[in-house]
Amino acid sequence: SQTIHQWPATLVQPVGSPLSLECTVEGTSNPNLYWYRQAAGRGLQLLFYSIGIDQISSEVPQNLSASRPQDRQFILSSKKLLLSDSGFYLCAWSPKGQGWGNQPQHFGDGTRLSIL
Amino acid sequence: KQEVTQIPAALSVPEGENLVLNCSFTDSAIYNLQWFRQDPGKGLTSLLLIQSSQREQTSGRLNASLDKSSGRSTLYIAASQPGDSATYLCAVTLSSGSARQLTFGSGTQLTVLP
Repeated sequence: SQTIHQWPATLVQPVGSPLSLECTVEGTSNPNLYWYRQAAGRGLQLLFYSIGIDQISSEVPQNLSASRPQDRQFILSSKKLLLSDSGFYLCAWSPKGQGWGNQPQHFGDGTRLSIL
Repeated sequence: KQEVTQIPAALSVPEGENLVLNCSFTDSAIYNLQWFRQDPGKGLTSLLLIQSSQREQTSGRLNASLDKSSGRSTLYIAASQPGDSATYLCAVTLSSGSARQLTFGSGTQLTVLP
């Protein structure tokens, strides 16, 4: 069966510090991968998605970046965090190929990021 | 640009009641619509997925309907229980998205009182 791992679960960082959040998927190959952010009291906002290694698309311009160095690894980074980067970050994956329309996106447990 | 709206934003009901959550979307060119559940501080759990060619899907006490032409979906929960308390999110997949990106509503926070 497929599983998705996301870490850390909680992170407290000062303004201006760097960030690295990691997500890995097991039990599948060549998935679509996604990073979402959920700000307090708001819906999920798609930040980045990837259809393959080193193929990253950004939905919202900001000081965050994403990378996919391996097929099932997705990393969210920042060189200098802002107060507005606080939120709940979720990684997700979905399958490709025939029958993908029947398959939901699968989410990790999220990372709660607080910027001080 | 696709916009997804969920009404109401919050709902409180006594245990045992049947209830309906509403979702509307502005662009009918969708591939599917998904309903998720989110418990506080947790990730999302998929509840039901309705393809654009389908009218409804059922899982246990949950029934989701889709009217693509009018841009509406409903999630019906029968005989609600305190364990159903959570935030319910609907999301649509646009037909044109290369990676089948989801656009989410802001959710309905459901509280079922014992």
